[in-house]
Amino acid sequence: QKEVEQNSGPLSVPEGAIASLNCTYSDRVSQSFFWYRQYSGKSPELIMSIYSNGDKEDGRFTAQLNKASQYVSLLIRDSQPSDSATYLCAVNRPRGNNRLAFGKGNQVVVIP
Amino acid sequence: ETGVTQTPRHLVMGMTNKKSLKCEQHLGHNAMYWYKQSAKKPLELMFVYSLEERVENNSVPSRFSPECPNSSHLFLHLHTLQPEDSALYLCASSQELGAGGLIDTQYFGPGTRLTVL
Repeated sequence: QKEVEQNSGPLSVPEGAIASLNCTYSDRVSQSFFWYRQYSGKSPELIMSIYSNGDKEDGRFTAQLNKASQYVSLLIRDSQPSDSATYLCAVNRPRGNNRLAFGKGNQVVVIP
Repeated sequence: ETGVTQTPRHLVMGMTNKKSLKCEQHLGHNAMYWYKQSAKKPLELMFVYSLEERVENNSVPSRFSPECPNSSHLFLHLHTLQPEDSALYLCASSQELGAGGLIDTQYFGPGTRLTVL
């Protein structure tokens, strides 16, 4: 099993709809979770960090963490063309070095 | 300057050249990182410096040589690279929180797009 797995894309959503991205992780004792957005040719920028079970909302973005099921998701409400990007899930590796492991990313395309 | 800066933004080099990538962070963080991002692959952690000491080297070939002269600056020295080393090289910084399991956000620089001919 991969450390951090993101289901393959790309995900096409109409403008104004909700985009839903999922990420599963292998180490059940991971404690720190991040979603980054990366535009083509640019570097990753932080969208959201989450550390506790449940939902965390920031504007149009909601991160959901379920440690029992070992998944973290990102919802983008009222999707805009500017949300078209690749979204990276990152999870800490608590055993050993406690560094971040990244998923391959989900490409989101918002269709006007 | 704010955040994390990297120079150069683009670099084309031959296999026999020697070049260096530079990273500077203006966030007061105590840890800095080099990542490699190749197409269709997850971000790969190369090196970690914490309080100016190298604390991690993820089996990176010796043709990549990092240097961290102080907590704000990080270099990646390149020599005799291979075409498969062509990638986006990203620098990041964060504040180490110490023991406890939680880690703080890493902030990325704009990256250096490296092409090895």
